[in-house]
Amino acid sequence: TQLLEQSPQFLSIQEGENLTVYCNSSSVFSSLQWYRQEPGEGPVLLVTVVTGGEVKKLKRLTFQFGDARKDSSLHITAAQPGDTGLYLCAGDAGTALIFGKGTTLSVSS
Amino acid sequence: DAGITQSPRHKVTETGTPVTLRCHQTENHRYMYWYRQDPGHGLRLIHYSYGVKDTDKGEVSDGYSVSRSKTEDFLLTLESATSSQTSVYFCASKGTSGAEAFFGQGTRLTVV
Repeated sequence: TQLLEQSPQFLSIQEGENLTVYCNSSSVFSSLQWYRQEPGEGPVLLVTVVTGGEVKKLKRLTFQFGDARKDSSLHITAAQPGDTGLYLCAGDAGTALIFGKGTTLSVSS
Repeated sequence: DAGITQSPRHKVTETGTPVTLRCHQTENHRYMYWYRQDPGHGLRLIHYSYGVKDTDKGEVSDGYSVSRSKTEDFLLTLESATSSQTSVYFCASKGTSGAEAFFGQGTRLTVV
C-alpha cells in the first residue's frame, strides 16, 4: 500500500508569516500534485511536479519535488487570509491517485 | 471547467439499504475515481477505473462496488449501507496518467 504522510495536519498562523507543508512517502511516484480544497467544494489542482529536484513557483507558493521523487514540500511566503483552506498532496501511482490526509491552514488577519 | 457532476448531492438513507451514487463526466477522460472524505482522513480511495469495465479496488473498498459501462459514467454502490459509511463522497476524473484530476462537488451521504 502506497501512503503519503502530510505534516502538519493543522496550521494556524498570522497574516504575513511564512509556512511550509510537507508530504512524504516511502514509495516513488511518477508525479506528485498539490490540490487546494475550499469548504463544500471538490479539490482544485495547484501544481504538478514530475522531475526529481523540480521547483515550481505559483505567485507566493513554492513547490519542490524531492530528488528521489518520494517527497514534496509546499512553502507559502507572506501568508494571507485568502490562503486559508485544506491543502492536499496526491501521488500518481499510474492508475491510482493517492492522497495524503491534508493540511488545514488558517490565516488570520 | 471540466464537466463532472455527481448525483445526488445529498442523501439520507437507512441502515441496510442499498445506495447508488452516480458520477458523470463529459471530458472523455479515461480514469475515474471514487473517494470518501472524513475529518482527519483526507481523501481515501474507494475504487477507481482505468477504462470501460476496467476497475480496481482502493484503500477502503469493503462494502462498496462500482461499475463503468460507459466512458462517461462511474457508479458507486453501497450494497448494504452502514452508519460507518456516512461521509462525503467525491468523484474525480482525469485524462492521462499525471494529468490534472477534476472533481465533482461531492455527495453528502448520511446513513441513519
